[in-house]
Amino acid sequence: EIVLTQSPATLSLSPGERATLSCRASQSVSSYLAWYQQKPGQTPRLLIYDASNRATGIPARFSGSGSGTDFTLTISSLEPEDFAVYYCQQRTSWPLSFGGGTKVEIK
Amino acid sequence: EVQLLESGGGLVQPGGSLRLSCAASGFTFSTYAMTWVRQAPGKGLEWVSGISDGGTRTYYADSVKGRFTISRDNSKNTLYLHMNSLRAEDTAVYCCVFPGGATIPESWGQGTLVTVSS
Repeated sequence: EIVLTQSPATLSLSPGERATLSCRASQSVSSYLAWYQQKPGQTPRLLIYDASNRATGIPARFSGSGSGTDFTLTISSLEPEDFAVYYCQQRTSWPLSFGGGTKVEIK
Repeated sequence: EVQLLESGGGLVQPGGSLRLSCAASGFTFSTYAMTWVRQAPGKGLEWVSGISDGGTRTYYADSVKGRFTISRDNSKNTLYLHMNSLRAEDTAVYCCVFPGGATIPESWGQGTLVTVSS
């Protein structure tokens, strides 16, 4: 089973700042990595798939990069609605797995 | 519009069993793999199980292997999760997930709560 480690656990930033979230895999997942956003009381929303492709309707301020074992989700300028928990998920092999999450909170 | 409606959750004693169902509509169910994901209260997402479109291939997280069984009935557009030997740590909201396709976005059900407690 592939283990995904996300860092940091919590990111305290102000609106307008840039957020950089990391996800590291225990073995290569090629580019088969997705990013999700989850707000309290809601189901997760797919943001990025295949490491760098934005899902339908996702604003351009969200971008993903990386391949192999190291991946990054960048939010170029935080909007108030972006404060949430973010998860990465590997889709290269079964069983699929999620990272532990990064909470982006208002500073 | 894709709709996923889970049911079957509830309170069960440790060691007990439950069967979750996920009724799907709005897409050609029989042509997509499906998965179950759970989230314990206040915790992160945990992928639980997946099944191929025809139901011949199944996959499980190590934490549930040997205790949970995923299945599907393509004639009823329904996904199942049979859960045996339940433990307190299985307490979570269980969601079924449609992975989406070229023109249909990924979709999650709202989930059903399973509580394992004596």
